[in-house]
Amino acid sequence: GNSVTQMEGPVTLSEEAFLTINCTYTATGYPSLFWYVQYPGEGLQLLLKATKADDKGSNKGFEATYRKETTSFHLEKGSVQVSDSAVYFCALPRNQGGKLIFGQGTELSVKP
Amino acid sequence: NAGVMQNPRHLVRRRGQEARLRCSPMKGHSHVYWYRQLPEEGLKFMVYLQKENIIDESGMPKERFSAEFPKEGPSILRIQQVVRGDSAAYFCASSPSSESTDTQYFGPGTRLTVL
Repeated sequence: GNSVTQMEGPVTLSEEAFLTINCTYTATGYPSLFWYVQYPGEGLQLLLKATKADDKGSNKGFEATYRKETTSFHLEKGSVQVSDSAVYFCALPRNQGGKLIFGQGTELSVKP
Repeated sequence: NAGVMQNPRHLVRRRGQEARLRCSPMKGHSHVYWYRQLPEEGLKFMVYLQKENIIDESGMPKERFSAEFPKEGPSILRIQQVVRGDSAAYFCASSPSSESTDTQYFGPGTRLTVL
């Protein structure tokens, strides 16, 4: 079945640094891919998604490109802020939709 | 448009008691999912329901756990005779359909502590 592997954390960066969080997947076909963000003590919020190969999802300065050649969906941001400190989850649905399969999460801490 | 609502936000139970967690999906959404997040771990799927039907309960422990989504009212996740290992954050999500392109929208979660 579908699965996702995510870069382990925690990741600590200084403000304005460049961020990359790696995510690779195995899947039957080309399912949609998602990045969710969880701020401390809160639920998950959708950050961005891509529904087909070569699509680029973007939101709040974050970007991720659906690359079928490398089966990857890496999350990037050019200049992180302290307010970006959170846990980031890569996810994809099971084969025909329904439940989401999540990576283990990457904790990001941005220092001023 | 109100988001996914969950209550209570925090729930404390003693071992052996019952815990009831409620989830109201977003307006217009008829698909509900429950996930559990254990401390220092990611989210694990528990159960997927549509109105009055359980579609997939492959992630639900076989004993003590049950879920429902009645025709009227919120979805309920029920844990009987709670044990310390049930302490976790329980998240509900909803979507308009089960299409793989659909976004699942998450509630704020219920944090269950078992004493």
